[in-house]
Amino acid sequence: DIQMTQSPSTLSASVGDRVTITCRASQSISSWLAWYQQKPGKAPNLLIYKASSLESGVPSRFSGSGSGTEFTLTISSLQPDDFATYYCQQYNSYWTFGQGTKVEIK
Amino acid sequence: QVQLVQSGAEVKKPGASVKVSCKASGYTFTGYYIHWVRQAPGQGLEWMGWINPNSGGTDYVQKFQGRVTMTRDTSISKAYMELSSLRSDDTAVYYCARGIAARSASPFGYWGQGTLVTVSS
Repeated sequence: DIQMTQSPSTLSASVGDRVTITCRASQSISSWLAWYQQKPGKAPNLLIYKASSLESGVPSRFSGSGSGTEFTLTISSLQPDDFATYYCQQYNSYWTFGQGTKVEIK
Repeated sequence: QVQLVQSGAEVKKPGASVKVSCKASGYTFTGYYIHWVRQAPGQGLEWMGWINPNSGGTDYVQKFQGRVTMTRDTSISKAYMELSSLRSDDTAVYYCARGIAARSASPFGYWGQGTLVTVSS
């Protein structure tokens, strides 16, 4: 089974900050990686797929990069609506989520 | 537009079973796999398995093998997830989800609203 490890688990940041979240896979997953945003009481929302492709309707301040086993999600300028929990997901072999990164207000 | 609408919250006793439904609309139901994902209170997302609505074929995470059954009714575009021998640690929100692409290897671009299943004596 492929394990996904995110870091950090919690991130404190201010509006306007550049934020980076890392996701590592236990084995190569090529570019079969997605990022989701989840707010309390809501279903996850797809932000990025195939490591760097922006889902339709997602603001351009979100970007993804990486391949193989190391991936990053970057928010170029954090907005009030971005305080949420973010999950990575591999879909190279079945589907596995990372444990999540909570972005909270500093 | 694509919509997945799930059945309402359930409260069950330990040892019982629960069956959650997921009604799809806005697309060809048989063209896309339906996945089930659960989230325990305050915890992360856990993929449980999928069903191919076209063939009825399924694949489950080993952890749930023998306790989970995913089915579908193509006449009404509904998918179902039944979990048996419920334990307190099965208390979670259960989501159905659909991939963004028709092929099996796809991230989940569409989600149901979630169904809270509470297991308590």
